[in-house]
Amino acid sequence: IVLTQSPGTLSLSPGERATLSCRASQSVSSTYVAWYQQKPGQAPRLLIYAASSRATGIPDRFSGSGSGTDFTLTISRLEPEDFAVYYCQQYGSSPPGTFGGGTKVEIK
Amino acid sequence: QVQLVESGGGLVKPGGSLRLSCAASGFTFTDHYMSWIRQAPGKGLEWLSYITSSGDNIYYADSVKGRFTVSRDNAKNTLFLQMNSLRAEDTAVYYCARGAGPIFDPWGQGTLVTVSS
Repeated sequence: IVLTQSPGTLSLSPGERATLSCRASQSVSSTYVAWYQQKPGQAPRLLIYAASSRATGIPDRFSGSGSGTDFTLTISRLEPEDFAVYYCQQYGSSPPGTFGGGTKVEIK
Repeated sequence: QVQLVESGGGLVKPGGSLRLSCAASGFTFTDHYMSWIRQAPGKGLEWLSYITSSGDNIYYADSVKGRFTVSRDNAKNTLFLQMNSLRAEDTAVYYCARGAGPIFDPWGQGTLVTVSS
């Protein structure tokens, strides 16, 4: 399964809403879709699992949705610390884990 | 707190070998599958391998199958990645992570492996 994230780069201002897309080449169980945030020089951090459940300590401005082949990560109001790269990930049978190419959210 | 700390990265020549370690703390290591994931400079994430909690089953991505070997020492709460026949395209930051999908959480800070003559 190939995951395609769009857009590649999203230029927004603090306080704006960010909508990130992740499209799978075939249907994926929503149970097995996750989103990660990565800041420069840091390891990825789990944000969302099972497509829409926030990981521990993740602010409620982050939300996930979707089913089938289309999944979305939404950041309702961008805070300065939210400017980062975001990856979607799916879990399947072979290979067990694949990641999308990432979306960079940058300050406009 | 839950923590993963990788070590063992460095500069190695093409065709060489390197062994990475990942020391786990703050959780019951024997309860969890563990994975290795890498990120080439300026690129995205590539899942490489997972190992079951007992170490009985291991899965590898095609890109490393036959060259990389994952193991774990549950008595020492440590995960290993033995990398042989290294190529320039193996240059990356290597992360260990708890889990094997559907989620990886948490991740270690990563260790840089550079394959160059």
